[in-house]
Amino acid sequence: DAKTTQPPSMDCAEGRAANLPCNHSTISGNEYVYWYRQIHSQGPQYIIHGLKNNETNEMASLIITEDRKSSTLILPHATLRDTAVYYCIVRVDNDYKLSFGAGTTVTVRA
Amino acid sequence: NAGVTQTPKFQVLKTGQSMTLQCAQDMNHEYMSWYRQDPGMGLRLIHYSVGAGITDQGEVPNGYNVSRSTTEDFPLRLLSAAPSQTSVYFCASSSPRGGSTGELFFGEGSRLTVL
Repeated sequence: DAKTTQPPSMDCAEGRAANLPCNHSTISGNEYVYWYRQIHSQGPQYIIHGLKNNETNEMASLIITEDRKSSTLILPHATLRDTAVYYCIVRVDNDYKLSFGAGTTVTVRA
Repeated sequence: NAGVTQTPKFQVLKTGQSMTLQCAQDMNHEYMSWYRQDPGMGLRLIHYSVGAGITDQGEVPNGYNVSRSTTEDFPLRLLSAAPSQTSVYFCASSSPRGGSTGELFFGEGSRLTVL
């Protein structure tokens, strides 16, 4: 699987959009981009995933660059409950041996 | 659905003792796995299974055994506990069936301390 690079930490103001970057410059054509988050040592929680196109669900939006070498997770209106570690992962379909790096620690401040 | 259930939630062992962490899922998922998470670190894959009767090693398998006799259960055995195995252990499951997002569903974790 391709490796990903994320900033170790970032702050965000409550109510504002949080934009979390992820670099995956060695991603292959059949690898998806997945995002998970882990709130206060709970089990990680799936957020969203995509292959080429931008994706949106009730939790977040995922923007993937045209060359697929980087992506951005957008939390449109961050709340204090969004404070968590966010993991960006790339994987091929049906490969569940996911590697979770250190992720980005996001702190939402009132 | 209860999802992925791990027991116990907390355990203290002495060096050399053995124990089993239990994991059960009620979603009929083919894939199950065990991760460990040390303080301030990401999750590292210990063992995984793609179906009943099939297991394989992940990134950090030494000191751990697994078996998968049923689709629902995937226990993790510590053979002779060492202080280096002090960690939080997460079990996860998923399904590759059509229509699935391919996401991993995680349990709440089992916090193990080895003295």
